[in-house]
Parts: sequence; C-alpha cells; structure tokens
Amino acid sequence: DAKTTQPNSMESNEEEPVHLPCNHSTISGTDYIHWYRQLPSQGPEYVIHGLTSNVNNRMASLAIAEDRKSSTLILHRATLRDAAVYYCILRDRGSGGSNYKLTFGKGTLLTVNP
Amino acid sequence: DTEVTQTPKHLVMGMTNKKSLKCEQHMGHRAMYWYKQKAKKPPELMFVYSYEKLSINESVPSRFSPECPNSSLLNLHLHALQPEDSALYLCASSQVRGNTIYFGEGSWLTVV
Repeated sequence: DAKTTQPNSMESNEEEPVHLPCNHSTISGTDYIHWYRQLPSQGPEYVIHGLTSNVNNRMASLAIAEDRKSSTLILHRATLRDAAVYYCILRDRGSGGSNYKLTFGKGTLLTVNP
Repeated sequence: DTEVTQTPKHLVMGMTNKKSLKCEQHMGHRAMYWYKQKAKKPPELMFVYSYEKLSINESVPSRFSPECPNSSLLNLHLHALQPEDSALYLCASSQVRGNTIYFGEGSWLTVV
C-alpha cells in the first residue's frame, strides 16, 4: 500500500466541524482512500472511503483533491465520542493489487474539548 | 448483525503455556484477518484467510499458528510466546473484495 502522511494530533471543540488532512502524493490510479478510526480500548471502525469524487455518509464526509494527492475527512459537528485515532489508508483495488491488505499508518489522534 | 466477537477479552499466559484466541462472525464474510497492536502503535497485519485458506502470512513467527475451521470461525493458537508478544490481538472480517473490514474489540494478551 502507498504511504500516507497525517498530523500526529489535532484538537477541536465539541459541536464544531473538524477537518482531518491526509497527504498521499504517491497514490496510484487504482488506490482507494479509506478512513478508519479507533476509539480508546476498541477495535478500528470503518468511517468512509472514496476514489475520486467527494463522498458523504452518516458519519462523515470525504473531500478528495482533484489530483488525488490529498484528502480531508470532515466531521461536521464533533462530539466527545469522536475522540479517537483516525487512520487514512490507501487500498489498491486493482486486479493485480493485494486488496486484502489494510495497512495502517500512524494516524491522527483527535482530541475533542467539551 | 455486524459484529465480530473475540474471546477471551483478556489472557495472561506463561512462556511455556499453550493457549488459543477465538474469533467468530456471522455476517457471511469469507475473508478473515488477525492483526497485532502494541500500545500506542497502529495495528499490524499478521494473517489473512480467504475462503478458509491462508492467503497472507506477514512473516509471523511459528509460535503463532492460525486456523480457520469454518467460514465463521478463526483461531489463533499460541505456544512458547515471549513477553514482547504481549499486545492487543484484533480479529476482523470482510467480504473477499469488500470495502469495509469489520473489527472485533480485541483480546488483550499478556505473556509473563
């Protein structure tokens, strides 16, 4: 899997939007951008994924740059429950890719202040 | 039911013991995974099973022995472990080419 770069930590206030950036300058055409998060003492949890277009779901939005070299996970109104480590991961979904593998980077520790 | 269940939640074992971690899912997923996570580090892939056959072994030492007896169950047999093997062991499952991987809450292993 191609490498991603994320800030080590970020802080936000409750009920405010949070923008979590991810750089992936070596992304290939068949790489999907996935986001997972891991709450304290729990296993990772799927958040969202996308290829080229921006994506929305009930948890978050994913904004993908036009050149696909960066993306931003947007939490529209942070709650205390959103405090977690957020992982941006590239998964090669091409026919020759090892698409079973989900390789985690260091992630961003998000702190939400009340 | 989108749940991956792991047992036990906590395990303490001596270096000469033999123990097993168990994982179960009833989502009809045919890909199952073992990850290892040390404190304050990201999860690291250990093994992947696809259609009950081992498809990826990330050069894991033989003291860890995975087993997939059927499409719902995944075991990790542990023997002659070292204290540095103490970690959180995460099981996960997905459709074979699915986008979403579902993780269990993990089994905390302490080797003494």
